[in-house]
Amino acid sequence: DAKTTQPNSMESNEEEPVHLPCNHSTISGTDYIHWYRQLPSQGPEYVIHGLTSNVNNRMASLAIAEDRKSSTLILHRATLRDAAVYYCILRFARGSEKLVFGKGTKLTVNP
Amino acid sequence: GAGVSQTPSNKVTEKGKYVELRCDPISGHTALYWYRQSLGQGPEFLIYFQGTGAADDSGLPNDRFFAVRPEGSVSTLKIQRTERGDSAVYLCASSRGSPGANVLTFGAGSRLTVL
Repeated sequence: DAKTTQPNSMESNEEEPVHLPCNHSTISGTDYIHWYRQLPSQGPEYVIHGLTSNVNNRMASLAIAEDRKSSTLILHRATLRDAAVYYCILRFARGSEKLVFGKGTKLTVNP
Repeated sequence: GAGVSQTPSNKVTEKGKYVELRCDPISGHTALYWYRQSLGQGPEFLIYFQGTGAADDSGLPNDRFFAVRPEGSVSTLKIQRTERGDSAVYLCASSRGSPGANVLTFGAGSRLTVL
């Protein structure tokens, strides 16, 4: 299984942008890059996903490197409610559809 | 309902007892997943259903764990002869089941404590 590497923790200030990095050097051509986040005492929540091109939605932006070996989740203006563990996951287009979670990045947002 | 519903939200049991955890997926979602999460860890995959059948049960830790989805909707995770190490939050998720890009919606989880 292709793996992802994320920093254990990051810190940000409220209303500032946050860039959460993810390395996935063994990604295959058909793997989708998914991001989920988990707020305290809740189940994981979908944030965004992409294949090759950068993606934007109401929650965040996803910037994917040209060689697809890394990606960055961008929160344009962090709020206190964005404090969570963020998981970067490769989703296989073929075979089992399970999501394999790592430990993720714990984001702390300071007021 | 609008989301994935899991019951009970909390379950305390004694070592050696039998436990059932229930998951009600989003209506129309053909795929259903079970995960468990220990404190400080990411969710660990257990089993995934496509319709009524288990498409991937490679994450079930041993034969004390079993899951069913007899009508392709509600699923039950069954744990026999519970051990203290089974204490965790058990998460259920559902999706439309399209390969690769589809999105999982998770429930809030069932917290199991084995004394």
